[in-house]
Amino acid sequence: DTGVSQDPRHKITKRGQNVTFRCDPISEHNRLYWYRQTLGQGPEFLTYFQNEAQLEKSRLLSDRFSAERPKGSFSTLEIQRTEQGDSAMYLCASRGPRSYEQYFGPGTRLTVT
Amino acid sequence: AQSVTQPDIHITVSEGASLELRCNYSYGATPYLFWYVQSPGQGLQLLLKYFSGDTLVQGIKGFEAEFKRSQSSFNLRKPSVHWSDAAEYFCAVGPPNDYKLSFGAGTTVTVRA
Repeated sequence: DTGVSQDPRHKITKRGQNVTFRCDPISEHNRLYWYRQTLGQGPEFLTYFQNEAQLEKSRLLSDRFSAERPKGSFSTLEIQRTEQGDSAMYLCASRGPRSYEQYFGPGTRLTVT
Repeated sequence: AQSVTQPDIHITVSEGASLELRCNYSYGATPYLFWYVQSPGQGLQLLLKYFSGDTLVQGIKGFEAEFKRSQSSFNLRKPSVHWSDAAEYFCAVGPPNDYKLSFGAGTTVTVRA
């Protein structure tokens, strides 16, 4: 069990560029979550997958955001036409089929200049 | 909808002293409750959880928390803090059988020698 991994750990991009983040959950965890955390705040729920199905998207997830989990394993989160307000830590978490605990990755810190 | 309040933004405690972090939640029934710890630039690590049963739960790193239904609280305690406990602590709530967590804004703990 190597834990949840995220790549990259840091990303600096210019406003208007597209960025993509990857999350690899703990193996055999069928549930995967994305959260966003801004400075001084707790994480806020963005979206949730059970296997490959995206079951809920927060209203925080504008149409510039898209997430996929094509084979029910790793997931990607893409932000198109980034804005300065997108600067945040993006956290991924996973959860097994018979547990309620979510295990978090180290996060990807996005800075939009 | 559920929500979490952590009334203390920042707490400073001396090494070896006791620590208590407050958490109040709003939810119509008994939710699942969690405490996570986050070190600078890192993801969240689960300290402990409450689902049902004994209202005093033990976690990792010597932490414990007590669920008080009448007060809608889930306060975190540690009898004797170590310098390595300096971090940000988040309380989270999730309805049973639901999938997304709602987090408080966090409490930053500083440990002085």
